[in-house]
Amino acid sequence: TQLLEQSPQFLSIQEGENLTVYCNSSSVFSSLQWYRQEPGEGPVLLVTVVTGGEVKKLKRLTFQFGDARKDSSLHITAAQPGDTGLYLCAGPRTGANSKLTFGKGITLSVRP
Amino acid sequence: GAVVSQHPSWVICKSGTSVKIECRSLDFQATTMFWYRQFPKQSLMLMATSNEGSKATYEQGVEKDKFLINHASLTLSTLTVTSAHPEDSSFYICSAMAGPNQPQHFGDGTRLSIL
Repeated sequence: TQLLEQSPQFLSIQEGENLTVYCNSSSVFSSLQWYRQEPGEGPVLLVTVVTGGEVKKLKRLTFQFGDARKDSSLHITAAQPGDTGLYLCAGPRTGANSKLTFGKGITLSVRP
Repeated sequence: GAVVSQHPSWVICKSGTSVKIECRSLDFQATTMFWYRQFPKQSLMLMATSNEGSKATYEQGVEKDKFLINHASLTLSTLTVTSAHPEDSSFYICSAMAGPNQPQHFGDGTRLSIL
């Protein structure tokens, strides 16, 4: 079973602080995706990482895929209240016809 | 591009009612759609995979007679919660893919509340 463990589960920080959150697995994934979901809405894809060791930047968000393709991290610089939301990582299930396995998510709250 | 629309966004109904939720891909043809269920502050749990023109495949533990899925066209899949009860109250989200190895595009979800 491919499980994705996300940590920390909850995070509350002050505006302007930096943070890093994690998505870990004992299984190798061909790719990992990060989504942000706001209350009452569907998840929105932020990034897909494919190559081991890959780093992708999206404005103040930096995503890294582990060398062994078993883990990923998301670093946010100078967090803003608009970054508040549920951050989900997901990876394709092996041999499962495009199905995704999701982590349990990280609830981030950025206080003004 | 790649917009997925869900309707309704919110529904409240009495116990025993059947409720239909629609998922439409607005600007692309979706060979595959997925239906998820999400409880508050929790992750998405895949319920079933919907393929156009064929029967849906359900995840283990999901009752196919309870959650009826119809994927009648390349732009529309429907989920019907039959004889809904309070324990069926949840946030239901669909996603659609244009083809294999393509990203999933998610709808904005449907909040279902059964009284």
